[in-house]
Amino acid sequence: GQQLNQSPQSMFIQEGEDVSMNCTSSSIFNTWLWYKQEPGEGPVLLIALYKAGELTSNGRLTAQFGITRKDSFLNISASIPSDVGIYFCAGLLNGNKLVFGAGTILRVKS
Amino acid sequence: SAVISQKPSRDICQRGTSLTIQCQVDSQVTMMFWYRQQPGQSLTLIATANQGSEATYESGFVIDKFPISRPNLTFSTLTVSNMSPEDSSIYLCSVAPRQDTEAFFGQGTRLTVV
Repeated sequence: GQQLNQSPQSMFIQEGEDVSMNCTSSSIFNTWLWYKQEPGEGPVLLIALYKAGELTSNGRLTAQFGITRKDSFLNISASIPSDVGIYFCAGLLNGNKLVFGAGTILRVKS
Repeated sequence: SAVISQKPSRDICQRGTSLTIQCQVDSQVTMMFWYRQQPGQSLTLIATANQGSEATYESGFVIDKFPISRPNLTFSTLTVSNMSPEDSSIYLCSVAPRQDTEAFFGQGTRLTVV
């Protein structure tokens, strides 16, 4: 089946630092999604990307849909303690099914 | 985005028993899905819940183990049957209000089988 390679696996950063994580795939996706999951909760949608080359921001978050449609990255600027959580990329398949990356665990030192 | 409510939020069950998880959405949605998240892992699609017909299961998941109902456009259930400790996971309901757009998730049901 299709797989997404997400990196890094985890990050432990200082408050105020910028964060970058990315996903790559051997397959083309027409839609990339980024989710955040906190303990005891379901994933919450952060950003949806629909066009190759698209750069989209949501507050301190910025995500890009790669030109090849096989990759995407998510940046978080000026991290704060509440950014802690697990970040997942997901590619949208036919029938609205999602395939997820393994996740990036983000920890922030204040 | 749709508001998705799952019940129960967590449960501890004896092996060999079954648990039915409910998912209620506050608006009619075309597509509903069930995902599994094993401890420390990512999410894996179990099946697409089809309104008025049998669910469509992904490879590795079968109807006898995970029967799904979807009687209308706002409600679905997932049953985890004849449970074993390996079924301990978070089970998540997801909806997609429109074709080829983003999906939203419920808060999940954390199942522990002892």
